[in-house]
Amino acid sequence: GDSVTQMEGPVTLSEEAFLTINCTYTATGYPSLFWYVQYPGEGLQLLLKATKADDKGSNKGFEATYRKETTSFHLEKGSVQVSDSAVYFCALWSDYKLSFGAGTTVTVRA
Amino acid sequence: EPEVTQTPSHQVTQMGQEVILRCVPISNHLYFYWYRQILGQKVEFLVSFYNNEISEKSEIFDDQFSVERPDGSNFTLKIRSTKLEDSAMYFCASSGDYRNEQFFGPGTRLTVL
Repeated sequence: GDSVTQMEGPVTLSEEAFLTINCTYTATGYPSLFWYVQYPGEGLQLLLKATKADDKGSNKGFEATYRKETTSFHLEKGSVQVSDSAVYFCALWSDYKLSFGAGTTVTVRA
Repeated sequence: EPEVTQTPSHQVTQMGQEVILRCVPISNHLYFYWYRQILGQKVEFLVSFYNNEISEKSEIFDDQFSVERPDGSNFTLKIRSTKLEDSAMYFCASSGDYRNEQFFGPGTRLTVL
């Protein structure tokens, strides 16, 4: 079935560093792609999404571009803050459900 | 901002007991979901619910599980006879017109002893 493979963590960064979390997908069609974030003690929150090839999703300084040729949807942020410390999940929508990656724990140190 | 809520936040039960996990979806949403995350593993889809019936379910969602919308606001997941391997974080989600834009609750951590 359709699936997502996500870069393993944990990732530890200093404030203002550049963050990239790799995500690739396997799918028979062209699924919608998502990044969700889970802050400590909270549920999953939709961070951004893209529904077709070359779409760029963006929110809170994070960006990800739907790359059909490389089947990827990598998450990037140019300058992270301590408040960005969280678990990040890549996901795809197909067969009427979300399929998630394993999650990447990001810790940003002041 | 409207949000999905779940109760309890943590449930401890003995193996073989029945548990009911509760969720209040966003009020104007039509689709409801349960997912679970076993510690150290991926978030997995369990079931989706629309118009008072199950619309899709995964292989995990066997006869031990059931879902119900007992009134206009609650959405519940029942596990009839819990097993050790049911220990997990259970997330409820809901969506409106765009099914793929799902809003998640904070989760219920179920511990089966």
